[in-house]
Amino acid sequence: DAMVIQNPRYQVTQFGKPVTLSCSQTLNHNVMYWYQQKSSQAPKLLFHYYDKDFNNEADTPDNFQSRRPNTSFCFLDIRSPGLGDAAMYLCATSRDGAGGNEQFFGPGTRLTVL
Amino acid sequence: QQQVKQSPQSLIVQKGGISIINCAYENTAFDYFPWYQQFPGKGPALLIAIRPDVSEKKEGRFTISFNKSAKQFSLHIMDSQPGDSATYFCAASRLYRDDKIIFGKGTRLHILP
Repeated sequence: DAMVIQNPRYQVTQFGKPVTLSCSQTLNHNVMYWYQQKSSQAPKLLFHYYDKDFNNEADTPDNFQSRRPNTSFCFLDIRSPGLGDAAMYLCATSRDGAGGNEQFFGPGTRLTVL
Repeated sequence: QQQVKQSPQSLIVQKGGISIINCAYENTAFDYFPWYQQFPGKGPALLIAIRPDVSEKKEGRFTISFNKSAKQFSLHIMDSQPGDSATYFCAASRLYRDDKIIFGKGTRLHILP
């Protein structure tokens, strides 16, 4: 089945220790998104790629970076995680960036910062 | 103006009852209104969506009602089942390239067996 895969499902890191989360997709979608979701809150868009074009949300901290080496893979790098970065990180894809297209979400990576 | 306001924050409904979740928006440029369903430990998944050229859309037990003049829309779950227990997010966006979805804050629904 075509899907969005996130690894790892659970990640524990120490305060200030860089961490990388990965996402892969078999849907061959042009757009890949990274969201941050804290407990009992809506997903918050961090950035997205339309193909290779990177789009950063204005309020995304500089501590968060992303890479998309090819169509299938996208990475979220947190350079110096703080306690406030503990959250569920969701990767999503859509066929193109039009607002009317369904976004397909992965199961998420739950990040714990000690 | 970019916000989507969702209520209630949590909802408990008896099995077989009707669950109703309401949302309101300000930006009249929004023209696509999806609902996403999220089970614990999973990512959200599209449940049903509506465009403002219709006032209602029904898929099985799930119905979206849309009131363009009031800038409100709601999700009705008929014959609610324990398997419907999840968090529901309403959302809004515009139908052109590279526009993000604005999510409501979510409603945690619990259906009593």
